[in-house]
Amino acid sequence: GAVVSQHPSRVICKSGTSVKIECRSLDFQATTMFWYRQFPKQSLMLMATSNEGSKATYEQGVEKDKFLINHASLTLSTLTVTSAHPEDSSFYICRVSRGPNTEAFFGQGTRLTVV
Amino acid sequence: AQTVTQSQPEMSVQEAETVTLSCTYDTSESDYYLFWYKQPPSRQMILVIRQEAYKQQNATENRFSVNFQKAAKSFSLKISDSQLGDAAMYFCAYRSVSGTSYGKLTFGQGTILTVHP
Repeated sequence: GAVVSQHPSRVICKSGTSVKIECRSLDFQATTMFWYRQFPKQSLMLMATSNEGSKATYEQGVEKDKFLINHASLTLSTLTVTSAHPEDSSFYICRVSRGPNTEAFFGQGTRLTVV
Repeated sequence: AQTVTQSQPEMSVQEAETVTLSCTYDTSESDYYLFWYKQPPSRQMILVIRQEAYKQQNATENRFSVNFQKAAKSFSLKISDSQLGDAAMYFCAYRSVSGTSYGKLTFGQGTILTVHP
């Protein structure tokens, strides 16, 4: 069965509102969680790396005040898209690692549509 | 920084035939992991195969095998006896095992594979 649960799978929100996406590891404690963004028929681009109990590390060009990441426990990380705009519409995927040099697992992804 | 290049945006194959997807990468690291992921229309990322750079032997998983050429920084995926269910987007990915990029996956642009019955 799935070891990572990402919720919601689809969300539609109005422009200017905020949306929270959750990523949970079900069977293990996740030391690190990664958040990716994917536009249609394009590759996955890393947005940020989240370590439990510390601030997320954002990739160059990703606005940390717009994409808020919280990794408050060893099983949950959240990505909040604040003041969403239509250009934020995309597919967001989390990837969860249980530790160094161990296999990491992807969530099912969240399709965000901002109208 | 590491880069991964997939030069084939689209590939097609007849059912039961063999197809090879290309991937090259650039790195100054000596130890790392390479992966091939499959992303079907559901968009769930599925691990197809993994290769550890320090292992010279090419990884194999049933109908999937790789040709890993470390010196040439090439990592191609061969799919034998192609099935309709193999149709998907395939991503080649690189993972560092040290430094500031530790644990991060860098993806290629992807190759859309179509399987014809």
